[in-house]
Amino acid sequence: QVQLQESGPGLVKSSETLSLNCTVSGAFARSVNNYWSWIRQPPGKGLEWIGYIYDSGSTNYNPSLKSRVSMSLDTPKNQFSLRLSSVTAADTAVYYCAKGFDLLDSWGQGTLVTVSS
Amino acid sequence: SYVLTQPPSVSVAPGETARISCGGNNIGSKSVHWFQQRPGQAPVVVISYDSDRPSGIPDRFSGSNSGNTATLTIRRVEAGDEADYHCQVWDTNTDHTMFGGGTKLTVL
Repeated sequence: QVQLQESGPGLVKSSETLSLNCTVSGAFARSVNNYWSWIRQPPGKGLEWIGYIYDSGSTNYNPSLKSRVSMSLDTPKNQFSLRLSSVTAADTAVYYCAKGFDLLDSWGQGTLVTVSS
Repeated sequence: SYVLTQPPSVSVAPGETARISCGGNNIGSKSVHWFQQRPGQAPVVVISYDSDRPSGIPDRFSGSNSGNTATLTIRRVEAGDEADYHCQVWDTNTDHTMFGGGTKLTVL
C-alpha cells in the first residue's frame, strides 16, 4: 500500500553534507500517527538505525550519529529528508527510508551513497 | 545501549529446519521483528511482534521469544530461503530501534 523511494547524490565528498529525500506514495507523510525512519547498511555489514521523524515533526536519532543528523518533513511533496553532516568514508552505505519505527513495515529500495576523499 | 547478538552464519540442507537466534538481555520482554534480505534487495518483514506472520509469508516461517533469546525458525528449508536474516527490536527504555548483526543462511 505504501511505496517509498530514496533519491539524492550517490557520491559525496568527505567533510561535506549528505542529503537524501524519501518520497512516499500511497500514504501522506503527515497522516496521523506515522513515523518515518532512516536506516543504513555499509557494504557487507549489518543494518544501522539512523533515526525517525514523527508526523508532528518531532525526531529521535541514534546517539552515535545525533550530533551530525537532522531529519525533516515536506508535506506538500509527500517527502521526508535526511541530512548527515561532516561525512567520512565510514558513512559509505546503502541508505534506506522506511515507514514506522518499532515495526518497519515498508522500505524503499535503498540508495548507495559513497563518500570520496 | 541495548545489544542484539546473532550468529554470523547458519547452514542447513534443503528440507531441514533452520533456527536463527537473536540474543539480548531479557529480550522476552520486548517485541522482536525479523527481516529477510536477499542480495541487492531491501529487507522484508517475515515475522513481526515475536510470532506474527505477515500476509504472503509462508507458514514455514515462525518465531518465538522468551528469556534472553528470540528465535526465527524456518521449516522445510528451500533454496530460495538463502538470504541474510536480521532481528530488530524497539528499546522502550531509550526509544531507539536496534538491529542484530544479521545471520547469513546458507542452503547446502
